[in-house]
Amino acid sequence: GENVEQHPSTLSVQEGDSAVIKCTYSDSASNYFPWYKQELGKGPQLIIDIRSNVGEKKDQRIAVTLNKTAKHFSLHITETQPEDSAVYFCAASDPNTGKLIFGQGTTLQVKP
Amino acid sequence: DAMVIQNPRYQVTQFGKPVTLSCSQTLNHNVMYWYQQKSSQAPKLLFHYYDKDFNNEADTPDNFQSRRPNTSFCFLDIRSPGLGDAAMYLCATSRGGVSPLHFGNGTRLTVT
Repeated sequence: GENVEQHPSTLSVQEGDSAVIKCTYSDSASNYFPWYKQELGKGPQLIIDIRSNVGEKKDQRIAVTLNKTAKHFSLHITETQPEDSAVYFCAASDPNTGKLIFGQGTTLQVKP
Repeated sequence: DAMVIQNPRYQVTQFGKPVTLSCSQTLNHNVMYWYQQKSSQAPKLLFHYYDKDFNNEADTPDNFQSRRPNTSFCFLDIRSPGLGDAAMYLCATSRGGVSPLHFGNGTRLTVT
């Protein structure tokens, strides 16, 4: 089945800098890749997603890129703010079951 | 606002004492999921309902059961909680197929 690896596990940046989180997946047939942000004490919230028919998607300060050949996708956050501090999870859809397979999570800390 | 609501936010139960967690949704989604999440790890899928069809994950302990009496509500029953069942329990919904998950804010279960 699908396997997703996420790096780094922790990331600390200065306010205003950019942050990049990377994920790799194992099944080349996967076609849907969402990113979730989880704040302390809350459930994960979808922040952006991408399907395999596009290579990049952007929403204000957040962008996701997908490289199907290399089987990896990345989350880019520009002009980071303290409220971006949270745990971020990438995921990939298992092409056989449709279920989302999550990465291990990245704890992002944005220092003011 | 349409959303996924979990009650209670915090639940304390005694070792071996049955407990029920509840989830409701106003999104009218076909699929409802229950996830277990421990200390900033990725959410782990326990089971899901596609309409009335129940789908159990192979490694979900028999101690965990679920009921979905109608489209809007879904319950997680833990028949005999052990100390290892202390975790955040997340309910999520989706339209089905390859589509985003919408999570509730979870119930934090403590077992004493």
